[in-house]
Amino acid sequence: AQSVTQLGSHVSVSEGALVLLRCNYSSSVPPYLFWYVQYPNQGLQLLLKYTSAATLVKGINGFEAEFKKSETSFHLTKPSAHMSDAAEYFCAVTHTGGGNKLTFGTGTQLKVEL
Amino acid sequence: DTGVSQDPRHKITKRGQNVTFRCDPISEHNRLYWYRQTLGQGPEFLTYFQNEAQLEKSRLLSDRFSAERPKGSFSTLEIQRTEQGDSAMYLCASSSLWGRQVDTGELFFGEGSRLTVL
Repeated sequence: AQSVTQLGSHVSVSEGALVLLRCNYSSSVPPYLFWYVQYPNQGLQLLLKYTSAATLVKGINGFEAEFKKSETSFHLTKPSAHMSDAAEYFCAVTHTGGGNKLTFGTGTQLKVEL
Repeated sequence: DTGVSQDPRHKITKRGQNVTFRCDPISEHNRLYWYRQTLGQGPEFLTYFQNEAQLEKSRLLSDRFSAERPKGSFSTLEIQRTEQGDSAMYLCASSSLWGRQVDTGELFFGEGSRLTVL
């Protein structure tokens, strides 16, 4: 079985500050890892994905994440937060042959303050 | 490409009634997924189809739930005899995986159908 754990259900940062959202995974096979963003009353939008190529993955809106096998982590970062980044962020895992069946974390609500 | 569309966006019903949600995936996608998201939780997998075949169902999908994709295009999710615990956002997603294409796991989500059971 696969799972992800997102530490911190709520994160608050100042506009212009570093964003760091944490995700740790558990998988007995090489994982594929994803970060999705969800704005209020909307579906999920893919930010970035790791599928066994480069361990540092760049996504949309200036976000990036680094796959660290030794730490079983896939933390999401952005150097400078913008007000428009306020949303809920979900980490998810699957694996090759997994049928694209994603297992999601419980989410982290990001608040950006002036 | 109009993306994944879901209908209705919101549904309020009384306990014991039946409800049906529809999902239209991205046209060239052969896989379709249903997820359920409750307040404060991440989406939970319910079931998925490849073309018209339902390949997997979660234990979360009780006998009151049925999903179909009769022609391999749109899908419906029906909940019979709704209970208050069924209140959630029901998300549909689609993806494509043809032949020897590598399965990279990316899903494209609709905006969801929010169910409130009174």
